[in-house]
Amino acid sequence: GAVVSQHPSRVICKSGTSVKIECRSLDFQATTMFWYRQFPKKSLMLMATSNEGSKATYEQGVEKDKFLINHASLTLSTLTVTSAHPEDSSFYICSARAQGINYGYTFGSGTRLTVV
Amino acid sequence: GESVGLHLPTLSVQEGDNSIINCAYSNSASDYFIWYKQESGKGPQFIIDIRSNMDKRQGQRVTVLLNKTVKHLSLQIAATQPGDSAVYFCAETWDQGAQKLVFGQGTRLTINP
Repeated sequence: GAVVSQHPSRVICKSGTSVKIECRSLDFQATTMFWYRQFPKKSLMLMATSNEGSKATYEQGVEKDKFLINHASLTLSTLTVTSAHPEDSSFYICSARAQGINYGYTFGSGTRLTVV
Repeated sequence: GESVGLHLPTLSVQEGDNSIINCAYSNSASDYFIWYKQESGKGPQFIIDIRSNMDKRQGQRVTVLLNKTVKHLSLQIAATQPGDSAVYFCAETWDQGAQKLVFGQGTRLTINP
């Protein structure tokens, strides 16, 4: 079955630094990847949609300069949280849509980001 | 529908009983719906899906019902087990929506022994 690997699973960084989260589709080509953010006891909120080789489309209210998304290949998308602040602490989850498989969405295991 | 940031409602059932989790979606153009299970600290896990041209679909111990008239989706879990304890989310997408998957608010299901 389709597998998405997300790394790291946990990261702690200092305020003002940047942190990169990787999302890889291991056994399929993902033309579209999605990045979500989830606060404790809340639902998943879509941050942006990225298509391979194109600029990401950000949801309303999401700062594109804060959350840099790169989708350079059909198997890798990265989310970089720049100049992180404590309020950026959250659970970030990626999803990849399998090319050629109608409506197949596969999720990564998530990254717990803590900014201190 | 779009997550509005509400706190998760909870549902508590006895082990062995059936559970029904409900979801209201907002976009009448949505044509594909998915139920996910999420355990603490993990990503969502696919449970069952349904397209808008259907009103019922069954899987192993789970059934999804879709009522497009009132934009309502439900997930029925038969003979609940302790391992069913988790948060359950419905998600929707639509053909003209850039394929993005939008999550509902979710329901925390607790199974009592």
